Amino acid sequence: NAGVTQTPKFRILKIGQSMTLQCTQDMNHNYMYWYRQDPGMGLKLIYYSVGAGITDKGEVPNGYNVSRSTTEDFPLRLELAAPSQTSVYFCASREEGGGYEQYFGPGTRLTVT
Amino acid sequence: GEDVEQSLFLSVREGDSSVINCTYTDSSSTYLYWYKQEPGAGLQLLTYIFSNMDMKQDQRLTVLLNKKDKHLSLRIADTQTGDSAIYFCAESYGQNFVFGPGTRLSVLP
Repeated sequence: NAGVTQTPKFRILKIGQSMTLQCTQDMNHNYMYWYRQDPGMGLKLIYYSVGAGITDKGEVPNGYNVSRSTTEDFPLRLELAAPSQTSVYFCASREEGGGYEQYFGPGTRLTVT
Repeated sequence: GEDVEQSLFLSVREGDSSVINCTYTDSSSTYLYWYKQEPGAGLQLLTYIFSNMDMKQDQRLTVLLNKKDKHLSLRIADTQTGDSAIYFCAESYGQNFVFGPGTRLSVLP
């Protein structure tokens, strides 16, 4: 199993540009999450999904959108990039029910200038 | 809102024990976790404790939970250079997970 994979690893965007951060998991997990990690801060939850077709906002959803058309994929969309979105983005997944461990991807480092 | 706090830095000598502390605010948390993050990598679960437990031991790791004070600690016995990393405390309630800012552990030879 590859686990949770994220692409790209690094990206530099200009203010106002758009991009999609890709996340794929091959563990058949229903639950998937997007977090951002700012320096010296914990992870902040952006969006999460409890299954295909179901998404919900986390703590910091503004400026982002998600979709979940399949169990495997959970892309995160930035429509109008702003410098405040400079961060490291982590995708994670976990099993439904008794599996409380979240499996994290390696992260995408995004800089908006 | 819910909040998880940790000190940001800890330095120990190789072979000593490390104790990383965490306080949380949500008394309805079901599970509390310790994650490890190595440079350039995602977080990896080290251990977790159910909220009705006081202690959990797993090889070199000991987790202590004081529910009254909402205090969680992680003790690493015989700390090695490979333990150098950032350690995150986290709590979960329902589908939500709240992470602390992370404690950067430096192990000195």
